[in-house]
Amino acid sequence: AQKITQTQPGMFVQEKEAVTLDCTYDTSDQSYGLFWYKQPSSGEMIFLIYQGSYDEQNATEGRYSLNFQKARKSTNLVISASQLGDSAMYFCAMREPSDPSGGSYIPTFGRGTSLIVHP
Amino acid sequence: EPEVTQTPSHQVTQMGQEVILRCVPISNHLYFYWYRQILGQKVEFLVSFYNNEISEKSEIFDDQFSVERPDGSNFTLKIRSTKLEDSAMYFCASSERQGSYEQYFGPGTRLTVT
Repeated sequence: AQKITQTQPGMFVQEKEAVTLDCTYDTSDQSYGLFWYKQPSSGEMIFLIYQGSYDEQNATEGRYSLNFQKARKSTNLVISASQLGDSAMYFCAMREPSDPSGGSYIPTFGRGTSLIVHP
Repeated sequence: EPEVTQTPSHQVTQMGQEVILRCVPISNHLYFYWYRQILGQKVEFLVSFYNNEISEKSEIFDDQFSVERPDGSNFTLKIRSTKLEDSAMYFCASSERQGSYEQYFGPGTRLTVT
């Protein structure tokens, strides 16, 4: 079973509009972390934003914010005021304890969503 | 701003050959990671490394893979006998703390096995 599901292979948005990229996850652990990375066409992975499972507030980082719905196991990324430079692949990822002691974390990535921002 | 660097940016090798991918993590980071991304697919965790030891590894990281920190700055991934299916982008990452969500990725090395 997929641990991270990104159902949107591709999304289009008009410049200056907001866009939401969906991500759902599957875990039985109580303590986990969720994060998003951006991968432009140049290939590097750029960390964007993080949400801890115990964080009560939705994470925000500049134009990026998360709509974290723990009961639904979803952590959607909202990009406000899209810019042409936001065109990229976006990966949702989760880290959860990989052993019973909770002492280590192996991250799992989703398949990504390709975002294209139109002028 | 400090960054993770990787060399080479692109490596072409013949099946069965050994390759070494090199990474220089951010200088004050203590935890190091390798990931791979087969073209068009998701990023997959390979291994994490701390205090000169492997701390975690995935099922992908079998006996043909090894990692080493030969000196105070470099972190290497060796693939002993490459297979066609090893063709992928390999990312190195580093973080200050274990499990830190803020892992800084390098630009990647594209490995092509022919």
